[in-house]
Amino acid sequence: TQLLEQSPQFLSIQEGENLTVYCNSSSVFSSLQWYRQEPGEGPVLLVTVVTGGEVKKLKRLTFQFGDARKDSSLHITAAQPGDTGLYLCAGVGANSKLTFGKGITLSVRP
Amino acid sequence: GAVVSQHPSWVICKSGTSVKIECRSLDFQATTMFWYRQFPKQSLMLMATSNEGSKATYEQGVEKDKFLINHASLTLSTLTVTSAHPEDSSFYICSVKGQREKLFFGSGTQLSVL
Repeated sequence: TQLLEQSPQFLSIQEGENLTVYCNSSSVFSSLQWYRQEPGEGPVLLVTVVTGGEVKKLKRLTFQFGDARKDSSLHITAAQPGDTGLYLCAGVGANSKLTFGKGITLSVRP
Repeated sequence: GAVVSQHPSWVICKSGTSVKIECRSLDFQATTMFWYRQFPKQSLMLMATSNEGSKATYEQGVEKDKFLINHASLTLSTLTVTSAHPEDSSFYICSVKGQREKLFFGSGTQLSVL
């Protein structure tokens, strides 16, 4: 069974702070995705990382895929209250089946 | 991308009744859709893969007779929770496999069984 561990589970920070959260896998996926989900909504895809060592930027969000393609990190610069939400990483397997981590609940206080 | 509409957004039902949830792909013909379940403060768990014109593929531990999936057209998949019980209360989300293997999610259905 492929497992994805996300850490920390919960994070509460002040507006303007930087943060880094992690997604670690017990095995290799063909690619890894990060989603953001708000309460009562479906997850929204932020990024897909495919190549080991890959770094992708989305405004203040920086995503990195580990060289061995088993771990990933998300760094947010100068967090804003609008960044509050549940951040999920998901490993993409055969036939586009996703295996999700448990998510990281981020709260950014104004 | 694909626009995915899920209906209803929330439903409350009595124990023992059946509930149907619809997932529509509004601008893309989807041969494959996925159904997930999410308990409070938990991650999404894949329940089944819905294949247009054929039987759904269920994940281990998911009762196919309880969670009936019908994918009769390229734009519509339905999930029917039969004889619902309080332990079936959860957030159900569908996703559509669009172009270039990208997945697009519906907004989810919150089911509460009394």
